[in-house]
Amino acid sequence: GAVVSQHPSRVICKSGTSVKIECRSLDFQATTMFWYRQFPKQSLMLMATSNEGSKATYEQGVEKDKFLINHASLTLSTLTVTSAHPEDSSFYICSARVLTGAENSPLHFGNGTRLTVT
Amino acid sequence: AQSVTQLGSHVSVSEGALVLLRCNYSSSVPPYLFWYVQYPNQGLQLLLKYTTGATLVKGINGFEAEFKKSETSFHLTKPSAHMSDAAEYFCAVSEGGNTPLVFGKGTRLSVIA
Repeated sequence: GAVVSQHPSRVICKSGTSVKIECRSLDFQATTMFWYRQFPKQSLMLMATSNEGSKATYEQGVEKDKFLINHASLTLSTLTVTSAHPEDSSFYICSARVLTGAENSPLHFGNGTRLTVT
Repeated sequence: AQSVTQLGSHVSVSEGALVLLRCNYSSSVPPYLFWYVQYPNQGLQLLLKYTTGATLVKGINGFEAEFKKSETSFHLTKPSAHMSDAAEYFCAVSEGGNTPLVFGKGTRLSVIA
């Protein structure tokens, strides 16, 4: 089955530093990847849509200069949290879809990254 | 705009009992519906999906869900709960194509021995 790999699984960083999270589609190409954020005991909120070779599309309220997304290849998207603050501490999950031509492909999710900013 | 409502943030059942997790959706176009399961500190695993055709959908681990258009519902059931079913369950809807999923707030399932 389709596999999405996310790295790192956990990261602790100091306030003011930047953290990069990688999302890879291991056995398929993904022109689009989706980044979600999940607060403790809450649902997943879409942050942005990452498009290979073009700018990401951010959801309302998500700061594009703080959450930098780069989708440089068909198998890799990165999310960089810049100048991290404690309120950025959260669980970040990426996802991608195998495009089969049918409009019913589910999203495949990475295992998430637990970011803790101290 | 699409939305998903999951009734009950926490459901507790005894081992061997019926599991029923409720999901209602709102969509302006024919919906594609999904149920995902999440174990602590992990990503989401697809349980089942509804696209078109048969309204009763069978998934992994003995779960199934029925799409009822008249009730705008997609409830998840399992005849007999197992301890390993304890997890967070998310219902999601999409418009199809390469669009993101919109998730409900999730329901935490506890299974009591």
